[in-house]
Amino acid sequence: EDKVVQSPLSLVVHEGDTVTLNCSYEVTNFRSLLWYKQEKKAPTFLFMLTSSGIEKKSGRLSSILDKKELSSILNITATQTGDSAIYLCAVEGGATNKLIFGTGTLLAVQP
Amino acid sequence: SQTIHQWPATLVQPVGSPLSLECTVEGTSNPNLYWYRQAAGRGLQLLFYSVGIGQISSEVPQNLSASRPQDRQFILSSKKLLLSDSSFYLCAWSAGLASDTQYFGPGTRLTVL
Repeated sequence: EDKVVQSPLSLVVHEGDTVTLNCSYEVTNFRSLLWYKQEKKAPTFLFMLTSSGIEKKSGRLSSILDKKELSSILNITATQTGDSAIYLCAVEGGATNKLIFGTGTLLAVQP
Repeated sequence: SQTIHQWPATLVQPVGSPLSLECTVEGTSNPNLYWYRQAAGRGLQLLFYSVGIGQISSEVPQNLSASRPQDRQFILSSKKLLLSDSSFYLCAWSAGLASDTQYFGPGTRLTVL
């Protein structure tokens, strides 16, 4: 059965800390791995990763995929209270463009 | 630019009542459309997806159904709601099989009492 597992399930940090969120997957016919940020309602797209070892970066956020280890990490440096959200990892597999989501990591950044 | 709309934002329905949630996409043609459900503390679960008008694929057996009467309209329905249907429902679209990025609507919070 295809699955995506995220860790930790939740964490609390203080502003300025750096956090690393993990995503591991067992999905047939892997096509891509995506990270989303969900604050109040709908998830918003952060990154799409298809190639191993190539870091994608957007401001204080960065992510990298390791196809050998079947995993990805999402790094957030110098965290701010606005980074508080659920971070979702999803893997696309199969021939029909379907996403399999992890349960998410709840990040709380305290001032 | 493309936008995706969902309504209503919040819904409270009695057990056994019917359901209709609507999702529309603007600014694109022939999108792939998806319905997801997110239970509290759990990840997103794909319920239905559609690659074209009248074409619906179901991912999990359940009390719900979906229809796509127009190219950019996707409807989630139920004839009789169950308590277990209480959840947060998200609609998403993608440009097609060649594009892996899905964009989500604002969601509908459904509570069945």
